Amino acid sequence: SQTIHQWPATLVQPVGSPLSLECTVEGTSNPNLYWYRQAAGRGLQLLFYSVGIGQISSEVPQNLSASRPQDRQFILSSKKLLLSDSGFYLCAWTRQQNYEQYFGPGTRLTVT
Amino acid sequence: RKEVEQDPGPFNVPEGATVAFNCTYSNSASQSFFWYRQDCRKEPKLLMSVYSSGNEDGRFTAQLNRASQYISLLIRDSKLSDSATYLCVVKSWQGKSTFGDGTTLTVKP
Repeated sequence: SQTIHQWPATLVQPVGSPLSLECTVEGTSNPNLYWYRQAAGRGLQLLFYSVGIGQISSEVPQNLSASRPQDRQFILSSKKLLLSDSGFYLCAWTRQQNYEQYFGPGTRLTVT
Repeated sequence: RKEVEQDPGPFNVPEGATVAFNCTYSNSASQSFFWYRQDCRKEPKLLMSVYSSGNEDGRFTAQLNRASQYISLLIRDSKLSDSATYLCVVKSWQGKSTFGDGTTLTVKP
């Protein structure tokens, strides 16, 4: 069966500090991978998606970036965090683009 | 206008009640439809896919109306454990998912 991992679970970072969140998927190959952010009490906002190694599409311009160095690894980064980057960051995978998505447990980020 | 709209609620219902949620979408070319459930401070979990012919999974029934561009979720015989936020998801033919902001359900004893 497939599983998706994210870490860390929670993170408190000062404004201006760098960020690296990691997501890995097990039990499948060549998944489509996604990064979402959810602000408190709001819906999910798609940040990035990837259909393969090194292929990243950005949905929302901001100070975040994503990379996919391996087939089942997806990394979300920032060089300098802003207060507005606080939120619940969720990684998701899907087998093919019209199939259902499965989410990791998420990282709750607070920028202070 | 949002691409996917849901009544945020909250819906407060007694145990055993039947409750229905609707979700409207603006892109007539949307291909796939889903309902997710999200508990407080947890990740969304797939509840069910929504098929053109309608589908049922136990106490849950999902329906799609392409002509009117809405999907619905019906929960029968509500349980306390059904309390959660229900997210409507619409996927375009390119595979992009758009999430509604969710409908909050509280089932009370």
